[in-house]
Amino acid sequence: EVQLLESGGGLVQPGGSLRLSCAASGFTFSNYAMSWVRQAPGKGLEWVSGISGSGESTYYVESVKGRFTLSRDISKNTLYLQMNSLRAEDTALYYCAKDREGSSTPRYFDSWGQGTLVTVSS
Amino acid sequence: DTVMTQSPDSLAVSLGETATIYCKSSQSVLYSFNNKNYLAWYQQKPGQPPKLLISWASTRESGVPDRFSGSGSGADFSLTISGLQAEDVAVYYCQQYYTAPRTFGQGTKVEIK
Repeated sequence: EVQLLESGGGLVQPGGSLRLSCAASGFTFSNYAMSWVRQAPGKGLEWVSGISGSGESTYYVESVKGRFTLSRDISKNTLYLQMNSLRAEDTALYYCAKDREGSSTPRYFDSWGQGTLVTVSS
Repeated sequence: DTVMTQSPDSLAVSLGETATIYCKSSQSVLYSFNNKNYLAWYQQKPGQPPKLLISWASTRESGVPDRFSGSGSGADFSLTISGLQAEDVAVYYCQQYYTAPRTFGQGTKVEIK
């Protein structure tokens, strides 16, 4: 059974940093692209960032480019999202999501974690 | 970015009746090389993460009831729930995976009338 367990969320001041983690199990981690998708309170879904199975390629939505860095440690089956220069508009529940197919680029997502809440506020 | 626009924003349907949700993309998500539409549908119930229902515009995921069906091509798509059940109350999202960044529709809330 695929399991994705996010951690690292919390309350941070504007301009601060957080590192989110997603521990994966139940599948061959290196075979699948992974993504982070966020959901602001009461709002819809927004794809934030994705990474190829090998970790060689990363992808970001424009609003986080230069501030967020996505990486993966295949030896630990863990995905990381380093978030710097956080803004109020980054406040959201951040979901870790696994690609449905073993493609090199993130496409669509068949497994999701329960999410970790990031609140950016002074 | 490819903008995904869903309609309506919400709808109330009687139990056993049919609910249809529409999704329009600002550009075609049909890849002519393989004739596939790069479009997925998700269901999100309160307090839960999204659940993948349909990929490639019309391919139902294993375990998804056959009352859920997807159709459409190019830039116009729909999700139909035939014979609405109480457990289908949720917000439904379409998502394109043809262009970067991946983008979702704003969501459609389905309720029981």
